[in-house]
Amino acid sequence: EIVLTQSPGTLSLSPGERATLSCRASQSVSSSSLAWYQQKPGQAPSLLIYGTSSRATGIPDRFSGSGSGTDFTLTISRLEPEDFAVYYCQQYDSSPRTFGQGTKVEIK
Amino acid sequence: QVQLVQSAAEVKKPGASVKVSCKASGYTFTSYYIHWVRQAPGQGLEWMGIINPTGGSTNFAQKFQGRVTMTRDTSTSTVYVELSSLRSEDTAVYYCARSEIRTNNYGPHDSWGQGTLVTVSS
Repeated sequence: EIVLTQSPGTLSLSPGERATLSCRASQSVSSSSLAWYQQKPGQAPSLLIYGTSSRATGIPDRFSGSGSGTDFTLTISRLEPEDFAVYYCQQYDSSPRTFGQGTKVEIK
Repeated sequence: QVQLVQSAAEVKKPGASVKVSCKASGYTFTSYYIHWVRQAPGQGLEWMGIINPTGGSTNFAQKFQGRVTMTRDTSTSTVYVELSSLRSEDTAVYYCARSEIRTNNYGPHDSWGQGTLVTVSS
């Protein structure tokens, strides 16, 4: 099973700042099989990024993904109030699909 | 529009079973896998397994082997997950989520149900 480790656990930032979230895999993951999800309190997760760097439908371009092999990054260029949430990475390269433990982006 | 609508919350006693449904609409039911993902209170996301609506084949995370069943009803575009021998640690929100059926690889979860809270308590 591929273990995904996200860092930091919590990111305290102000609106307008840049957020950089990390996801490290215990073994290499195909870049076509790494996704990021956003979850707000009381809501289901929603797809942000798939295939490491492709934005899902309707996702603004302030969200970008990058990486390869075992190291992947989600960047939010300028935080908007609605971006404060928990973010999860997921690999769907091999079964079982696994998620990272999440990074909470909170208002400083 | 694509919708995955799940059944209402459940309260069960330890040792019992629970069955949660997920009704799909707005797309071709047999073109997407359905997965089940759960989230314990205050915790992260845990993938439980997958069902192919076309033939009903399934694959489960090892942790749930022997305790989980996934079925589908193509006449109503509904998928079910049943978890048996419930214990307090199974208290969680259970989500269904779809991913596209592809020839050469798998896809992400591009649409999710609203979640069903299952509480296991004596």
